Amino acid sequence: SAVISQKPSRDICQRGTSLTIQCQVDSQVTMMFWYRQQPGQSLTLIATANQGSEATYESGFVIDKFPISRPNLTFSTLTVSNMSPEDSSIYLCSVAGGNTGELFFGEGSRLTVL
Amino acid sequence: AQTVTQSQPEMSVQEAETVTLSCTYDTSESNYYLFWYKQPPSRQMILVIRQEAYKQQNATENRFSVNFQKAAKSFSLKISDSQLGDTAMYFCAYAGGGSNYKLTFGKGTLLTVNP
Repeated sequence: SAVISQKPSRDICQRGTSLTIQCQVDSQVTMMFWYRQQPGQSLTLIATANQGSEATYESGFVIDKFPISRPNLTFSTLTVSNMSPEDSSIYLCSVAGGNTGELFFGEGSRLTVL
Repeated sequence: AQTVTQSQPEMSVQEAETVTLSCTYDTSESNYYLFWYKQPPSRQMILVIRQEAYKQQNATENRFSVNFQKAAKSFSLKISDSQLGDTAMYFCAYAGGGSNYKLTFGKGTLLTVNP
């Protein structure tokens, strides 16, 4: 298993601002994933972040809105840009666990946009 | 595209009793993985149990077991001897057999264990 730390754990943001969420893993991992969990909803994959290459975004998510950095094998950031109340969600970082298809998750970052 | 359906938004069970959470999925792949994740009020997603589609034997992890019916595309979770700490949102998830680790989640079932 992997220990994943996210910062901030929660924040309240003003409309139009941007916020960067950090994800730190206690071991080197090739693939990191960012998910969004809107209030009362399931998890939706935003993008896959591989070290040394640009993130791959899922349908409905774009780099201008959710820029991602992956500077090394233990760290990644997700920025939520020009926030609106619709961006109020929990954002979760996750990493792959070996070759069994499972993912390990951080505790998530709960963002509230006013 | 794969879909995962959890038809029970909420369930409750008395402590020490057994409860079964339902999950169905749709896929055209023959090799894949299925998971049950637990999300307690503290928010951290935790893997409960995993099933490889090529294995006929149902996975078990202590009080947790699954009923995997591949032909019916059904993957239910049985929790025996329910404990108060089992209170959480439970998500069923699907991952294809490739190495892309993309999980498709169901909408979740909120399980409440009552004393």
